[in-house]
Amino acid sequence: NAGVTQTPKFRVLKTGQSMTLLCAQDMNHEYMYWYRQDPGMGLRLIHYSVGEGTTAKGEVPDGYNVSRLKKQNFLLGLESAAPSQTSVYFCASSYIWGNQPQHFGDGTRLSIL
Amino acid sequence: QQPVQSPQAVILREGEDAVINCSSSKALYSVHWYRQKHGEAPVFLMILLKGGEQKGHDKISASFNEKKQQSSLYLTASQLSYSGTYFCGTESNNAGNMLTFGGGTRLMVKP
Repeated sequence: NAGVTQTPKFRVLKTGQSMTLLCAQDMNHEYMYWYRQDPGMGLRLIHYSVGEGTTAKGEVPDGYNVSRLKKQNFLLGLESAAPSQTSVYFCASSYIWGNQPQHFGDGTRLSIL
Repeated sequence: QQPVQSPQAVILREGEDAVINCSSSKALYSVHWYRQKHGEAPVFLMILLKGGEQKGHDKISASFNEKKQQSSLYLTASQLSYSGTYFCGTESNNAGNMLTFGGGTRLMVKP
């Protein structure tokens, strides 16, 4: 019952460093999403993908890049981390046909000093 | 534009009822409801489609007023396990399951 798995679970970076967050799902979902969640706020969509090899910008894409080379994986990259990117990052996935729930991973807590 | 949830926080005693509202300025195709416990991932509760349907799951139900672009989540005879933050996610114009989430409503149920 893996569902959606995110790695790593925690990470501390220094300003200017780069890193990649990995999301893997084993439910054969077409859609995958990356969100960030800041204290007291809801989830904001960073980027999403509607299928292997496709990505699109969400609400807050600046400073992030993504790739979906395989259907089951969705990578989120920070090229030059900034303190404003300190957040909890959630990955989610869903089926392609309409009105499907999104299944979330456990999140990655990222602190940038 | 982010949907607005109200209230922002509510404290209940076990057995009491609560209503959480979600309002959007956009025409909505569907509304999703999720619950998130502290330090955990959001968990899906239910989806409502335009058409004003009402759904229920155990003692948690929801309605969707298409004309007002509002959805309400009803928690009846609340249990301790209902504590957490509730989020609505709205989809406009059948936008391919792309959701915009509200700021959340913190619910605390006390014994």
